[in-house]
Amino acid sequence: GDSVTQMEGPVTLSEEAFLTINCTYTATGYPSLFWYVQYPGEGLQLLLKATKADDKGSNKGFEATYRKETTSFHLEKGSVQVSDSAVYFCALSPRANQAGTALIFGKGTTLSVSS
Amino acid sequence: EPEVTQTPSHQVTQMGQEVILRCVPISNHLYFYWYRQILGQKVEFLVSFYNNEISEKSEIFDDQFSVERPDGSNFTLKIRSTKLEDSAMYFCASSGALRRSYEQYFGPGTRLTVT
Repeated sequence: GDSVTQMEGPVTLSEEAFLTINCTYTATGYPSLFWYVQYPGEGLQLLLKATKADDKGSNKGFEATYRKETTSFHLEKGSVQVSDSAVYFCALSPRANQAGTALIFGKGTTLSVSS
Repeated sequence: EPEVTQTPSHQVTQMGQEVILRCVPISNHLYFYWYRQILGQKVEFLVSFYNNEISEKSEIFDDQFSVERPDGSNFTLKIRSTKLEDSAMYFCASSGALRRSYEQYFGPGTRLTVT
């Protein structure tokens, strides 16, 4: 079945460092891909998404490109801030543009940024 | 900004007891979901609900689980006879039904501890 694998954490960085969190997926068909973020004490928030191959999702300085050839959707940010400390989840939706579809998540990667 | 809320934030119960987890989805949303995350594991889909019916459910969502929308605002998950392995963080989510409104908005979660 469809699945998502993301790198194990925790990831510990200094402020202004470059961030990469790897995510690969297995899916039949043409899924949509997402990154969600969970700040302490809060719910999962959609960070960015991409709905087809070669799309780049971006938000708040974060970027991820939907790579069909490598089945990847790695999250990157050029310069992290302390406020980026959170848990990041990669997810896919097997049936793009269809309401009510279950999301399939990775395990989540904890990012800790120190000043 | 509208948000999904969940109560309680933490529930402790004894094995074999019934629990009801409550969620208030975003008011104009039409699809509702429950997910869970066992500590250290992936966020897993349980069920989606639309028009007062279950639209999709996972293998996890067996006969001991049920969902209900008892009024115009609440969406509940009931576990009839809790087991130790039901201990997890339970997330509620909601989404719209119109094209481009499929993004799922998550609540902060209820941590269920079964002793």
